[in-house]
Amino acid sequence: KNQVEQSPQSLIILEGKNCTLQCNYTVSPFSNLRWYKQDTGRGPVSLTIMTFSENTKSNGRYTATLDADTKQSSLHITASQLSDSASYICVVSPRDDKIIFGKGTRLHILP
Amino acid sequence: DTEVTQTPKHLVMGMTNKKSLKCEQHMGHRAMYWYKQKAKKPPELMFVYSYEKLSINESVPSRFSPECPNSSLLNLHLHALQPEDSALYLCASSLGQGNTDTQYFGPGTRLTVL
Repeated sequence: KNQVEQSPQSLIILEGKNCTLQCNYTVSPFSNLRWYKQDTGRGPVSLTIMTFSENTKSNGRYTATLDADTKQSSLHITASQLSDSASYICVVSPRDDKIIFGKGTRLHILP
Repeated sequence: DTEVTQTPKHLVMGMTNKKSLKCEQHMGHRAMYWYKQKAKKPPELMFVYSYEKLSINESVPSRFSPECPNSSLLNLHLHALQPEDSALYLCASSLGQGNTDTQYFGPGTRLTVL
């Protein structure tokens, strides 16, 4: 069964610190993996997209990694800012089926 | 124009009301989606339109009725809703319906059913 699991469920860090969010998936056959940022009450915004052959993708202070062999991805946030407080959702696309959303990691940045 | 817009931002309606949610994009995308999202849950797919035709209906109750008047607009007509239908309703669009195309989400409509 195609599944996407994210950890931790929630995370609290101080402003300026780095953090890493995890995404494990069992989707097969795999097409691509995306990370979205969703502010409370708003629509998700795409941060990165990676296909099978890509190991890393950066978008400013956000760096996503992908290990297609172990079916794991991470999102690293560098020098966190208060505006990074949001839910981060891992979305995996099978090759021939609808996309699958993880439940998200709720990140809180404290001043 | 690289965004998806949704109106209204907030909607409060009674169970006997009829209302509509609207979504618009001018990116030339040919696939458009409606999602429902409850608090602290991931979005749940409701409908997919591809080239203005309904291609996926995820067994959504008939009190939700989608409509795609043209390639830039997507509506969701609401009638006789239940309190448990209260949620954030998200519209998204992508270049095509293929899984390699990134979905761009609108800001959502916060719906409350009394």
